[in-house]
Amino acid sequence: AQTVTQSQPEMSVQEAETVTLSCTYDTSESDYYLFWYKQPPSRQMILVIRQEAYKQQNATENRFSVNFQKAAKSFSLKISDSQLGDAAMYFCAYRRPNGNKLVFGAGTILRVKS
Amino acid sequence: DGGITQSPKYLFRKEGQNVTLSCEQNLNHDAMYWYRQDPGQGLRLIYYSQIVNDFQKGDIAEGYSVSREKKESFPLTVTSAQKNPTAFYLCASGWTIENSPLHFGNGTRLTVT
Repeated sequence: AQTVTQSQPEMSVQEAETVTLSCTYDTSESDYYLFWYKQPPSRQMILVIRQEAYKQQNATENRFSVNFQKAAKSFSLKISDSQLGDAAMYFCAYRRPNGNKLVFGAGTILRVKS
Repeated sequence: DGGITQSPKYLFRKEGQNVTLSCEQNLNHDAMYWYRQDPGQGLRLIYYSQIVNDFQKGDIAEGYSVSREKKESFPLTVTSAQKNPTAFYLCASGWTIENSPLHFGNGTRLTVT
């Protein structure tokens, strides 16, 4: 079974600085899909970024980018120029080909200091 | 506006009672999902459905039941057999194509005493 591990229960970052959230996963598949979701205090789950494993280029969405290391099975999220609104729980998720579900990590709480 | 509606936002029940959580979507998505969220454990899949009148158990289906009589609706019943029902429940929907993200509702906080 696939597993997703987020080893940082909590992280803090100063406003305007950069922070990286870690995620590793375990799979025997060669093709799959990875996602980062944000859950602010409202508890609404919001898609931040997605990555297809067959693409070598790292995905980028404005201030959010990933470092996808397929051989190491690592999928970290980098947030640049952190803003107060970035404070939330962040979840890494995995979806296998022909898979019908997302497997989530335990989440990382990100605190942003002004 | 298209989206997923979960109701109610907060639900309180006495132990031993069954309770049904509502989930409706108007995004025309084929697939719908129920996740449970507990502190420190992320989201765990309870049930999912890819088409009307069909659904599959997820990782923690014991004590729960679902139905999918309409494409738009996927209600979850928490039965008295569920040993620890107090949790935050999230409904999601999506397309069945592989890189499709899930869209989530705002969740229902169930408290059983």
